[in-house]
Amino acid sequence: GENVEQHPSTLSVQEGDSAVIKCTYSDSASNYFPWYKQELGKRPQLIIDIRSNVGEKKDQRIAVTLNKTAKHFSLHITETQPEDSAVYFCAASTGNQFYFGTGTSLTVIP
Amino acid sequence: GAGVSQSPSNKVTEKGKDVELRCDPISGHTALYWYRQSLGQGLEFLIYFQGNSAPDKSGLPSDRFSAERTGGSVSTLTIQRTQQEDSAVYLCASSPRFGGGPYNEQFFGPGTRLTVL
Repeated sequence: GENVEQHPSTLSVQEGDSAVIKCTYSDSASNYFPWYKQELGKRPQLIIDIRSNVGEKKDQRIAVTLNKTAKHFSLHITETQPEDSAVYFCAASTGNQFYFGTGTSLTVIP
Repeated sequence: GAGVSQSPSNKVTEKGKDVELRCDPISGHTALYWYRQSLGQGLEFLIYFQGNSAPDKSGLPSDRFSAERTGGSVSTLTIQRTQQEDSAVYLCASSPRFGGGPYNEQFFGPGTRLTVL
């Protein structure tokens, strides 16, 4: 089955700096890679996603890159703000099951 | 516009008891997913439904876990003879269509926090 690894588990950045979270996956059949943000005590919410036929996708301060050959994808948050503080989960899907990483706790220090 | 709802929000039970967790997906969503989130851990995929059908039950942790969905809507996750290691937050998500991809975003419910004493 699919194995998704996510790093780092915790990340602290100064407000305004960039944050990068990296994930690797094992199943070359995975073709859809969403990222979820989970604020404390709240449910996960989709923030950005990418399909395997695209190498990069950007939405304002958030971008995701995908390297199919190396089987890794990354989340980039620029100009971080305190409200970006949350746990971020990557996931990989073949279209049936979804496999999530173990999460990255991001703290943005004002 | 109601989102995904789950009940109960919290459940405390004694070891060995059975529990039933309920998920009400967004109306019209054909796909429904159950996940388990242990403290400080990621989301563990349990099972998905395409309509009322669950093609793959291999993600369920043991035969004490079962799930059903009726009428293409409400789903229940049942845990029999609960154990302390079952303690976790159980999250349900629904999606307009089955399969990952654009326009198939998963919308999560608030979860049920299960504590087995």
